[in-house]
Amino acid sequence: GAVVSQHPSWVICKSGTSVKIECRSLDFQATTMFWYRQFPKQSLMLMATSNEGSKATYEQGVEKDKFLINHASLTLSTLTVTSAHPEDSSFYICSAEGGHSNQPQHFGDGTRLSIL
Amino acid sequence: AQKVTQAQTEISVVEKEDVTLDCVYETRDTTYYLFWYKQPPSGELVFLIRRNSFDEQNEISGRYSWNFQKSTSSFNFTITASQVVDSAVYFCALSRGVYNQGGKLIFGQGTELSVKP
Repeated sequence: GAVVSQHPSWVICKSGTSVKIECRSLDFQATTMFWYRQFPKQSLMLMATSNEGSKATYEQGVEKDKFLINHASLTLSTLTVTSAHPEDSSFYICSAEGGHSNQPQHFGDGTRLSIL
Repeated sequence: AQKVTQAQTEISVVEKEDVTLDCVYETRDTTYYLFWYKQPPSGELVFLIRRNSFDEQNEISGRYSWNFQKSTSSFNFTITASQVVDSAVYFCALSRGVYNQGGKLIFGQGTELSVKP
């Protein structure tokens, strides 16, 4: 139980394209989801906290107009990278809080984004 | 401010050796959680353990063991008789508050463990 599905698992696109990444909690309701970014050989850095039905809370230094987050239901949060550029190439991973287990949050498998 | 430090960037051992991954944390909270995650080359995060700030008991799970010492703000992870499949990046992380409240994680820099046959 407590599975989080993240889609797509990888995407390659041209500079200037907008890319949407979905994060779904498959068997539990997640009022809170988190979006992290990981550059190669680096740690995971929290980008934003997504709460169902309200605006996301962004960490310092993260552009909210570039990284649009929508948490329209208790099982789905989306991250849209608008007008992506090569420097946005990274590994994006979401997590969802909830589910009855000893883990406070469950991670998706991540999305590798490459902008050409 | 909260911070997690994993001073060992890379560790290389030969199979069957024991290896300890260090983790030192900083927080002003009295209630917090500490975690260890494994990230294999495929990228997904594999949950290994969660420990709350009121439970300093050491834990053993198979070849894995954890030593939590509040006095030194450390939460070290030991793999006994390492295997090639243990090769991965290991992250220590900290979260504030109680379960399901403020559960965002602050990760350390990660330690890349390479176990050679």
